[in-house]
Amino acid sequence: LAKTTQPISMDSYEGQEVNITCSHNNIATNDYITWYQQFPSQGPRFIIQGYKTKVTNEVASLFIPADRKSSTLSLPRVSLSDTAVYYCLVGDMYRGSTLGRLYFGRGTQLTVWP
Amino acid sequence: DTAVSQTPKYLVTQMGNDKSIKCEQNLGHDTMYWYKQDSKKFLKIMFSYNNKELIINETVPNRFSPKSPDKAHLNLHINSLELGDSAVYFCASSQERLAVNTGELFFGEGSRLTVL
Repeated sequence: LAKTTQPISMDSYEGQEVNITCSHNNIATNDYITWYQQFPSQGPRFIIQGYKTKVTNEVASLFIPADRKSSTLSLPRVSLSDTAVYYCLVGDMYRGSTLGRLYFGRGTQLTVWP
Repeated sequence: DTAVSQTPKYLVTQMGNDKSIKCEQNLGHDTMYWYKQDSKKFLKIMFSYNNKELIINETVPNRFSPKSPDKAHLNLHINSLELGDSAVYFCASSQERLAVNTGELFFGEGSRLTVL
């Protein structure tokens, strides 16, 4: 299963755009890329998922280059409430036996300052 | 309504004791999981059940025993607790997707276990 590498921490100010990049050099053809967000004292929650190019939803955008060896989560105009840990996961996600083994790692602690 | 609920939220106990954490999901999912998150935020899979059948059993001491009475419940029992068992334990659920190669984990709020 593909392991991922992402920065341990990032800082930003309110109103700025934040881009968190994740490296996944050994991504397989069938693998999807998913990002989760975890607030203190809560479980992670799904925010966005993609296979290639660009995906956008009401929370974030996900940019995936053609070689798919990395991906970038983009949070537009962050607020204090976006302070959280962000996890990048890569793998086959439709079976429980593979979804459960996806590597969470330590994630990226994003801190947004006023 | 809470989709994945765990009890208790906090648990403080002495070394050597036995304790249980319960998990229930009302999403109608067929797969449930237990994860352990240590103080450095590493989130690691421990067990997973699909329709009450064990499908993931990572390298976990046999003091940890999951039990799934039905597909909506997955409980975690821990015997002879040790200091290193102190962590936050998360329950999660998902639905097997037969046609689409995507999936989403739904997590509970976690149960913080402190062993003294």
